[in-house]
Amino acid sequence: GQQVMQIPQYQHVQEGEDFTTYCNSSTTLSNIQWYKQRPGGHPVFLIQLVKSGEVKKQKRLTFQFGEAKKNSSLHITATQTTDVGTYFCAGPNGEYGNKLVFGAGTILRVKS
Amino acid sequence: EPEVTQTPSHQVTQMGQEVILRCVPISNHLYFYWYRQILGQKVEFLVSFYNNEISEKSEIFDDQFSVERPDGSNFTLKIRSTKLEDSAMYFCASSAGLAGSSLLYEQYFGPGTRLTVT
Repeated sequence: GQQVMQIPQYQHVQEGEDFTTYCNSSTTLSNIQWYKQRPGGHPVFLIQLVKSGEVKKQKRLTFQFGEAKKNSSLHITATQTTDVGTYFCAGPNGEYGNKLVFGAGTILRVKS
Repeated sequence: EPEVTQTPSHQVTQMGQEVILRCVPISNHLYFYWYRQILGQKVEFLVSFYNNEISEKSEIFDDQFSVERPDGSNFTLKIRSTKLEDSAMYFCASSAGLAGSSLLYEQYFGPGTRLTVT
């Protein structure tokens, strides 16, 4: 079945440093979604990418979707303590997002 | 802002007992989902529900699991005979539509129910 891999599993950065998490799917995706889960919280939707090579920015967050629509990345510039949490990518199993397959997530810890 | 609500926030049950986890999706949403997350692990899809029937389910969603929309607002997950390995956080989610290559429909997650089976 479809697999979504994410690396690294864990990243601990100094406040102000950059952070990147990478996501790789075993199959081509119609779209990819990113979620953030704060410690003890629930996944919160961040963004969805649909086009090959698409790049979207949300303030200090930059999301990319690969040309082959099989990989994606999330880059955070100048991390802050509020960025702490687990970042998950998720891709639909099939053309539509009826069943989301989540990556294992990257846990981000920020030291102030 | 509208949100998905779930009750209870924490449920403790003995192995072999039945549990019902409840969710109230966002009112104008059409698609409903259950996910589970074992502590420290990734979010796993269980089932999706549309138009009063299951549209897709995972291998985890075996005969011990069932879902229901008993009225116009609630969406429930029942586990008939709980096992120790069912201990996890269970998240309900809903969306207005299905996200596709040209459609943007995010899934809104509820706060979760922590199920502990002893």
